[in-house]
Amino acid sequence: NAGVTQTPKFRILKIGQSMTLQCTQDMNHNYMYWYRQDPGMGLKLIYYSVGAGITDKGEVPNGYNVSRSTTEDFPLRLELAAPSQTSVYFCASSYSFPSGGGNNEQFFGPGTRLTVL
Amino acid sequence: EDQVTQSPEALRLQEGESSSLNCSYTVSGLRGLFWYRQDPGKGPEFLFTLYSAGEEKEKERLKATLTKKESFLHITAPKPEDSATYLCAVQAGGNNNDMRFGAGTRLTVKP
Repeated sequence: NAGVTQTPKFRILKIGQSMTLQCTQDMNHNYMYWYRQDPGMGLKLIYYSVGAGITDKGEVPNGYNVSRSTTEDFPLRLELAAPSQTSVYFCASSYSFPSGGGNNEQFFGPGTRLTVL
Repeated sequence: EDQVTQSPEALRLQEGESSSLNCSYTVSGLRGLFWYRQDPGKGPEFLFTLYSAGEEKEKERLKATLTKKESFLHITAPKPEDSATYLCAVQAGGNNNDMRFGAGTRLTVKP
């Protein structure tokens, strides 16, 4: 049981380039999330998904796109990378929404450190 | 707008010196308040969920409490391995899945 895995671990992009951050979970969780964490700041929710084929915007969605074709995978797409997107990106998953009671805690991946120059 | 503020930003303790971390929140209808631990270079690790004022939860040397305006994470007789950044997050009633995080408290416990 690997939990939540993310690739790549590190990436440097040039302004205007595009890339996809991969996220996979093997816990059969319905909910998946993408966050970004800037130095000295809390995590900010970019997008989330409550199941295959269903996605919705979080607090900071501009400049990103997501898709959820399977339960396991939730890739995050950056189009036209900008320096403001330099950050550490975390993917997370949970069985249901976290405040739903029971064992609905979020499990986080190890993160992808992205630099846009 | 929903806000989460953590204090202090950083805290240095001697091993065995108990203290508390604060998480103040302003949300429209709290659905849940969460505490996470984050080690350098890693993703957050879940600690506790609190749902209503007066609720308390414990795990080893950690105890989380909740009031209508804030939550405290009490650390009793900390050890160096408790050194980490502790994050607080809230989920408000308006959107089931929108989580708001505080900036965290960086705890260092010296032996």
